[in-house]
Amino acid sequence: AQTVTQSQPEMSVQEAETVTLSCTYDTSESDYYLFWYKQPPSRQMILVIRQEAYKQQNATENRFSVNFQKAAKSFSLKISDSQLGDAAMYFCAYRDNNDMRFGAGTRLTVKP
Amino acid sequence: ETGVTQTPRHLVMGMTNKKSLKCEQHLGHNAMYWYKQSAKKPLELMFVYSLEERVENNSVPSRFSPECPNSSHLFLHLHTLQPEDSALYLCASSESLSRDRVNGYTFGSGTRLTVV
Repeated sequence: AQTVTQSQPEMSVQEAETVTLSCTYDTSESDYYLFWYKQPPSRQMILVIRQEAYKQQNATENRFSVNFQKAAKSFSLKISDSQLGDAAMYFCAYRDNNDMRFGAGTRLTVKP
Repeated sequence: ETGVTQTPRHLVMGMTNKKSLKCEQHLGHNAMYWYKQSAKKPLELMFVYSLEERVENNSVPSRFSPECPNSSHLFLHLHTLQPEDSALYLCASSESLSRDRVNGYTFGSGTRLTVV
């Protein structure tokens, strides 16, 4: 079964600084999708960014970007110019032809 | 409004009670999911429904019983739960099981369940 590992249970960043959240995954598939979801205190999971495995170019969404290393099965999330509203749980997720698998999450704290 | 609505938001129940969680979506999605979220653990997929038919049951105890009467509604019936079942239960939907892999899922805000 595919597994998703987030090795950082908690991270902290100063407002306006940059932080990188780590994610690795295990799969034997070549065609799949990767996602980062944000879960604020409201508990609703919000899609932040997605990456298609067949695309070599790293996805970018405003202040959010990923570093996708397919051979290393690594998919980290970089948040630039961190804002107080970025404080949340962040989940990395993997999806192929089956269902979606999630990591255990990283709790991000943003210090003013 | 996220498009996926879950009720109730909070639920406290005794081990002998029977209760139900409700999930509703009007996004025109054909697949719906129940996940269990416990602290410091990956989200656990419980059930998958596609076009109102259950397509996956991940070894979930029978004290959890799902129901999908139509493509817009999903229920999770609970009975004789244990304290370790206390968790956040998330519902999600997607356009289809596999066609829209690129789009991910749309989630509700969950039901915080406490079993006493």
